[in-house]
Amino acid sequence: EAGVAQSPRYKIIEKRQSVAFWCNPISGHATLYWYQQILGQGPKLLIQFQNNGVVDDSQLPKDRFSAERLKGVDSTLKIQPAKLEDSAVYLCASSPGSGGGNVYEQYFGPGTRLTVT
Amino acid sequence: SQQGEEDPQALSIQEGENATMNCSYKTSINNLQWYRQNSGRGLVHLILIRSNEREKHSGRLRVTLDTSKKSSSLLITASRAADTASYFCATDTGGFKTIFGAGTRLFVKA
Repeated sequence: EAGVAQSPRYKIIEKRQSVAFWCNPISGHATLYWYQQILGQGPKLLIQFQNNGVVDDSQLPKDRFSAERLKGVDSTLKIQPAKLEDSAVYLCASSPGSGGGNVYEQYFGPGTRLTVT
Repeated sequence: SQQGEEDPQALSIQEGENATMNCSYKTSINNLQWYRQNSGRGLVHLILIRSNEREKHSGRLRVTLDTSKKSSSLLITASRAADTASYFCATDTGGFKTIFGAGTRLFVKA
């Protein structure tokens, strides 16, 4: 089966500019996650969707970050305006969320490496 | 905030040796997972252990869970150069919410 797709793979922007990332999860996966991973640290959950509803966005800086999941499938994450400290890899992951098997196992995309100058 | 804390932060061993890394967490969990991250394959799920399990095996991997101590360990036996990666524990506290630790960086020398 196809994995989690993300685009773009790399992005360089200046501070105060805006940027958007796109994620296409594995078909049929109900749960979608966006993580921020700063170099040398573990992934930090930004937002979690169950189908097209938000389950957890407690660590999303809502004054500058926004995310949506269209029709419970694709998702976009936007930063506006960007700050220097937003430089990181943004990872999208999906998991089955229900049904049999390992519903908790997350499948990660390759990530988008964002550099803010 | 990060729930899981891995120990050690970095580990360097010779090929063929065993590697053990530990994870401690703070609150009750439903399950704990271990993931591997390297530049070639990104983040990959290795193994999940549920809160009512004490030990689990998968190939050369052995995971233990001690809920009374709020800790888990990952043992990689007969390590290979290809095992060089960062290893993260991730705790699920309910609602499919997963919190990752900071990771252990493993370097296996050929």
